[in-house]
Amino acid sequence: RKEVEQDPGPFNVPEGATVAFNCTYSNSASQSFFWYRQDCRKEPKLLMSVYSSGNEDGRFTAQLNRASQYISLLIRDSKLSDSATYLCVVIPASGAGSYQLTFGKGTKLSVIP
Amino acid sequence: EAQVTQNPRYLITVTGKKLTVTCSQNMNHEYMSWYRQDPGLGLRQIYYSMNVEVTDKGDVPEGYKVSRKEKRNFPLILESPSPNQTSLYFCAVTDRLYNEQFFGPGTRLTVL
Repeated sequence: RKEVEQDPGPFNVPEGATVAFNCTYSNSASQSFFWYRQDCRKEPKLLMSVYSSGNEDGRFTAQLNRASQYISLLIRDSKLSDSATYLCVVIPASGAGSYQLTFGKGTKLSVIP
Repeated sequence: EAQVTQNPRYLITVTGKKLTVTCSQNMNHEYMSWYRQDPGLGLRQIYYSMNVEVTDKGDVPEGYKVSRKEKRNFPLILESPSPNQTSLYFCAVTDRLYNEQFFGPGTRLTVL
């Protein structure tokens, strides 16, 4: 089983739609989780951290399900500017490699007018 | 302004011609990494450095070298580039307090 798996998409959704992405991880001892956003031909940038209790930032909601080993990202009221690739990132448990982030391959979102 | 810079941004070269991609940060963070990104394979870590003079292999280190002689710089060296090293390369700096990673703008390398 791959360490971090995402549905590559593409997800093509109309403006205003709600869209959700999931990401599964294999290491049950993983301690930190993030969503990054990457625009075409640009560098990835942190979108939001994912906390155990779930967290919300405007139209974006991130949740963690440790029992099923997945994290999710929900985008409400999609905007054209949300079109990008969304990368799931997992950091393993503490140790020598604890700062080695493991990236999913990304889910591509296209918001259509 | 906090920055991670990479040079060059674009490079076309030929097999076997040694090249260096520079990475510099003004954020005073200790942890730096190099990644390559390829279609269908995502971001893969090449090397990382936890501090000056401390470097270690990531997932795909073959064909690459790095050095960390000073905190702000972390160059990636391809001693004898080959076509399978054609890729988009990112340098990254990690804020270990928040585990946030800041990426450079990327270097698109083509090896003919």
